[in-house]
Amino acid sequence: ILNVEQSPQSLHVQEGDSTNFTCSFPSSNFYALHWYRWETAKSPEALFVMTLNGDEKKKGRISATLNTKEGYSYLYIKGSQPEDSATYLCAFLDSGAGSYQLTFGKGTKLSVIP
Amino acid sequence: DTGVSQDPRHKITKRGQNVTFRCDPISEHNRLYWYRQTLGQGPEFLTYFQNEAQLEKSRLLSDRFSAERPKGSFSTLEIQRTEQGDSAMYLCASSPGTGWMNEQFFGPGTRLTVL
Repeated sequence: ILNVEQSPQSLHVQEGDSTNFTCSFPSSNFYALHWYRWETAKSPEALFVMTLNGDEKKKGRISATLNTKEGYSYLYIKGSQPEDSATYLCAFLDSGAGSYQLTFGKGTKLSVIP
Repeated sequence: DTGVSQDPRHKITKRGQNVTFRCDPISEHNRLYWYRQTLGQGPEFLTYFQNEAQLEKSRLLSDRFSAERPKGSFSTLEIQRTEQGDSAMYLCASSPGTGWMNEQFFGPGTRLTVL
């Protein structure tokens, strides 16, 4: 059973604050690490697909880093805005998964207070 | 809207009833996935289709669950004799099946409540 852990479970920040959260995953059989943002009543939205150790990706105020050797990824949000409020999910893709199904963490629920 | 759609968005049923959900993937995506998210958990894989062929099923998919994807387009997930433990968000995702990073595009989910 693959273990994908996310911390913290939930987070409240003031508008304008920067924040970050962690995803840890198995360091063996790594294929890819996905980050999704899931707002209430909407579809989960893909943020990043990360594959290479040391990779860093950026999308506006959101960025992510990847360390496949130690099995963790960080997601950073700079200058949080109320519209960033959502649950952020990471998902691990195992190289042994023939169907390429994703193994998700439980998510980090971010609330940005205006 | 050309994204993944799911119907219904919400379903309330009584224990023991059968329910069926529908997923319409992005056109020409040949991979289709069903996931289930229960309270406090992340989405968990249920089953996978490559075109019309169901290639993998999770141990979570008991014999009360059946999924189909006729003609390799839309998919249905049926739950027979529902139990309270089936209450969850059922998510569908599709993928183009090309490109080894396999980005999956999700629908908004069907929230099932079993009373």
